[in-house]
Amino acid sequence: KAGVTQTPRYLIKTRGQQVTLSCSPISGHRSVSWYQQTPGQGLQFLFEYFSETQRNKGNFPGRFSGRQFSNSRSEMNVSTLELGDSALYLCASSLAVQGQQYFGPGTRLTVT
Amino acid sequence: AQTVTQSQPEMSVQEAETVTLSCTYDTSESDYYLFWYKQPPSRQMILVIRQEAYKQQNATENRFSVNFQKAAKSFSLKISDSQLGDAAMYFCAYRRPRDDKIIFGKGTRLHILP
Repeated sequence: KAGVTQTPRYLIKTRGQQVTLSCSPISGHRSVSWYQQTPGQGLQFLFEYFSETQRNKGNFPGRFSGRQFSNSRSEMNVSTLELGDSALYLCASSLAVQGQQYFGPGTRLTVT
Repeated sequence: AQTVTQSQPEMSVQEAETVTLSCTYDTSESDYYLFWYKQPPSRQMILVIRQEAYKQQNATENRFSVNFQKAAKSFSLKISDSQLGDAAMYFCAYRRPRDDKIIFGKGTRLHILP
């Protein structure tokens, strides 16, 4: 089975722009979670989707949004980028909500 | 609020030796899950070991084992016979039962000395 894939792997954006990151879960997995990883804050939970519904949301501003499609693929969007949004964004999928999470390689976003 | 604390930002261990990574957490729940994840340099994060709080027996996965002290809210990871491939960032994590949110510690970078 193919693992969790994330595209793009690297991205450079300018302050004020918006960005969309994509995550394709392992086939059959219906739960997708997103995390932001930075050296200072570590791993912080962004949101979780299950069957196209957002189950949980972390403490991030409204500029961060996401969605999940009927094929379980998920996207996250960050609008009006700030320098502090530079991070590794990780996606993880699981079969069910409490299932073991499998992580993707991440998308490294640099905001200049 | 639930927190997960890893007090050792970095550790080093000689190859073939044993090392213990510390983790403490704060919760008022009685039933929850704890995890150790490994993130090798430039590679994907993988689950190392999982512990269910209602199980008293410490989880073990080959060379990896935990020392789970529920009353002390401590969840340390022991790596036996350390190998070069064990070099990575290790994250301790807690899954909050009321909404399944996973809260991570800041991580411990483990170096293996040949």
